[in-house]
Amino acid sequence: AQTVTQSQPEMSVQEAETVTLSCTYDTSENNYYLFWYKQPPSRQMILVIRQEAYKQQNATENRFSVNFQKAAKSFSLKISDSQLGDTAMYFCAFMKPHFGNEKLTFGTGTRLTIIP
Amino acid sequence: NAGVMQNPRHLVRRRGQEARLRCSPMKGHSHVYWYRQLPEEGLKFMVYLQKENIIDESGMPKERFSAEFPKEGPSILRIQQVVRGDSAAYFCASSTSGGASYEQYFGPGTRLTVT
Repeated sequence: AQTVTQSQPEMSVQEAETVTLSCTYDTSENNYYLFWYKQPPSRQMILVIRQEAYKQQNATENRFSVNFQKAAKSFSLKISDSQLGDTAMYFCAFMKPHFGNEKLTFGTGTRLTIIP
Repeated sequence: NAGVMQNPRHLVRRRGQEARLRCSPMKGHSHVYWYRQLPEEGLKFMVYLQKENIIDESGMPKERFSAEFPKEGPSILRIQQVVRGDSAAYFCASSTSGGASYEQYFGPGTRLTVT
């Protein structure tokens, strides 16, 4: 079974600074997908960024980028120019499609606070 | 196109009562996933359904919990004889079949409180 580990329960950073959230996972699979989800105080789960394991290029979405190290099974999220609206819980998730079953395995989350 | 809808948003039940949680997937989505989030924890997969079929219920507790996704109407997660440990946020997510993006769209969740 796959496991996802987020070793930073809480982090805080000054507004406009850059912050990196770490995530490691354990799998014997070769083809899979990794995600970062954001959960603000409203509790709505919002997809931040996605990475396909077969792609060597790191995914980027505006101020959000990942550092995907397949051999090390590491998938960190970098938030540049952090904004107050980035304050939220961030969850790393793993998915291996299996005959249409795309269930997600989540880490325990990192609570990120952006300080004005 | 309306997003994934869940109701109720908040549900309070006394121990021993039944809880019914509803999820209407996005239009055109035929796959529904239910996840449970205990306080201060991540989301944990419970069950994966397609129309009229339970595909994977490996995360569902063996007793008191059941799920369905009928041909017409929303998906229902049913918890019988609730206990305090069932207090959690329950999220459903929907997706298309084999979508290229593999993105699941989440509903706002139902927060269940058992008193």
